[in-house]
Amino acid sequence: EVQLAESGGRVARPGESLRVSCAASGFTFEDFGMAWVRQVPGKGLEWVSGLNWNGANTHYADSVKGRFTISRDNAKNSLYLQMSSLSVEDTAFYYCARRGDAAMAGTDWFFDLWGRGTLVTVSS
Amino acid sequence: SYELTQPPSVSVSPGQTARITCSGDALPKRHTYWYQQKPGQAPVVLIYKDIKRSSGIPERFSGSSSGTTATLTISGVQAEDEADYYCQSTDSSATSPPVVFGGGTKLTVL
Repeated sequence: EVQLAESGGRVARPGESLRVSCAASGFTFEDFGMAWVRQVPGKGLEWVSGLNWNGANTHYADSVKGRFTISRDNAKNSLYLQMSSLSVEDTAFYYCARRGDAAMAGTDWFFDLWGRGTLVTVSS
Repeated sequence: SYELTQPPSVSVSPGQTARITCSGDALPKRHTYWYQQKPGQAPVVLIYKDIKRSSGIPERFSGSSSGTTATLTISGVQAEDEADYYCQSTDSSATSPPVVFGGGTKLTVL
């Protein structure tokens, strides 16, 4: 079955660091760009970060630039988001998302497969 | 970076047509993508590149775009279509993050 499964969400204190992970299965992971999208419970979607198939090109939202680092391990079919200097504003569900096929969208980013999300709560 | 604006809510009766708009100054130069998200679930892509329906999406879902406004149309709305809908666009310039989402529209089926 084609799927993404996030893990690693927990309660963290402001200023702490945390890494969330995403395990991919059912497809050739290294063929796809990947991204993290977050959602404050009851609120809208916010794109956080993305990277290309080999991790050489990374992008970040202004809200997390310099604090978050996205990476991947194609041998382990895994995507990661290392978060540091966490603040209460980082509290959200973090979704792993697969970039849609370039044959469909060219150079555009869109997301054709999503995980169920992992909840990160930042609270003192 | 640019912004995409959606109405917070749209309400329709079953069988009617729902139209959800997404406005942004950059849309004349960008494609729009539409997602549906039901409570407790991950988003699902409905429409890509403005008008193309994703695999397995019912024909009652369609997309269009004109000028600074993209529109998701749901014809013959069913109760199961009650959900949050998000538009998304992309920016390939080096100065902005490549992805932006609209604020979302809650569709209520009366």
